[in-house]
Amino acid sequence: AQTVTQSQPEMSVQEAETVTLSCTYDTSESDYYLFWYKQPPSRQMILVIRQEAYKQQNATENRFSVNFQKAAKSFSLKISDSQLGDAAMYFCAYRGQGGSEKLVFGKGTKLTVNP
Amino acid sequence: GAVVSQHPSWVICKSGTSVKIECRSLDFQATTMFWYRQFPKQSLMLMATSNEGSKATYEQGVEKDKFLINHASLTLSTLTVTSAHPEDSSFYICSFSKGTVSNQPQHFGDGTRLSIL
Repeated sequence: AQTVTQSQPEMSVQEAETVTLSCTYDTSESDYYLFWYKQPPSRQMILVIRQEAYKQQNATENRFSVNFQKAAKSFSLKISDSQLGDAAMYFCAYRGQGGSEKLVFGKGTKLTVNP
Repeated sequence: GAVVSQHPSWVICKSGTSVKIECRSLDFQATTMFWYRQFPKQSLMLMATSNEGSKATYEQGVEKDKFLINHASLTLSTLTVTSAHPEDSSFYICSFSKGTVSNQPQHFGDGTRLSIL
């Protein structure tokens, strides 16, 4: 079974600075998809960014980018120019191929942004 | 973008009561819907996968008779917590997928906070 590990329960960053959240996963599949979701205090799940495993190019969405290392099974999220609104729980998630649409979540990282 | 409506957002009820939570996709037909449970400061745990017109598939350890899922149409799925007890208190979140393509993200409802007294 696939597993997703987020080794940083909590992180903090100064406003306007850059922070990187770590995520590793375990799978025997070659094709899969990876996601980062943000859950603010409102508890709504918001998609931040996604990456297809077959793509070598790292995904980027404005201030958010990933460092996808397939061989190392690593999928870290970098947040540049951090804003107060970035404060939230961040969940890394894995989704396999083959018709299975289940999302496997990591335990999450709580990000605090200090003014 | 896709919108998911989940109701109620918060419910408080007495032990032994059955509670129904609705999840609707507002702007397209969802072939598959998912129900998650989230305890405070923890991650989302998948409870079951709901396919329109067929029986839901439950994850290991989830009681089928306790958590009844009905996906009667392509826009509505319901989760009924039967004879709820305090240990069932949690945050329940639904999500749906637009299709069978795995790279499509799941779209989540805003969640239901269930408190059993």
